Amino acid sequence: AQKITQTQPGMFVQEKEAVTLDCTYDTSDPSYGLFWYKQPSSGEMIFLIYQGSYDQQNATEGRYSLNFQKARKSANLVISASQLGDSAMYFCAMREGKDTGNQFYFGTGTSLTVIP
Amino acid sequence: DAGVTQSPTHLIKTRGQQVTLRCSPKSGHDTVSWYQQALGQGPQFIFQYYEEEERQRGNFPDRFSGHQFPNYSSELNVNALLLGDSALYLCASSPGTGILTDTQYFGPGTRLTVL
Repeated sequence: AQKITQTQPGMFVQEKEAVTLDCTYDTSDPSYGLFWYKQPSSGEMIFLIYQGSYDQQNATEGRYSLNFQKARKSANLVISASQLGDSAMYFCAMREGKDTGNQFYFGTGTSLTVIP
Repeated sequence: DAGVTQSPTHLIKTRGQQVTLRCSPKSGHDTVSWYQQALGQGPQFIFQYYEEEERQRGNFPDRFSGHQFPNYSSELNVNALLLGDSALYLCASSPGTGILTDTQYFGPGTRLTVL
């Protein structure tokens, strides 16, 4: 089974509007971390936000917030006040606590296009 | 503060050849992970190096090997290249604390084309 599922291949949002990118995960490990990355066309993965499985509150970083619903195993990224520079691929990733290393499992990504 | 750097940026090889990709981690990081990202896919974990040893490995054949140097920089070697090895190869560094919040910081990648 896929550890990370992103079901939206492509999304469009009007500039200055908010958008939600979906991510569901699958793990039996009670300890895990969830990450979101942005990948512009240049290729570099840019870290956006982190949520730990034991965190009581949803993570926020500037215009990014993570809607963490543990029972549903979902970790959706919300981008508020979209800007043209937000157009990129967005990847959800997970790390499991049982791993001695730091392997990240990535989803297939969502392509976001911000329309002026 | 220098981020993760990778070289070369682009590389073109033919089937059967061997290739070496290089990565220098972010300052203060001692752990390096390598990922393969095929076109239209998410990154797939190849392996991770810590203290000059391979600490964890993904589902990749032995043609993929690596090395970490005392200064924490790393190399990824791929032997007997196949057309399917064409991809963006990403290096990521992280502090070796082993805690869940260890974020991986990625380099710009090396785009490998196998003809």
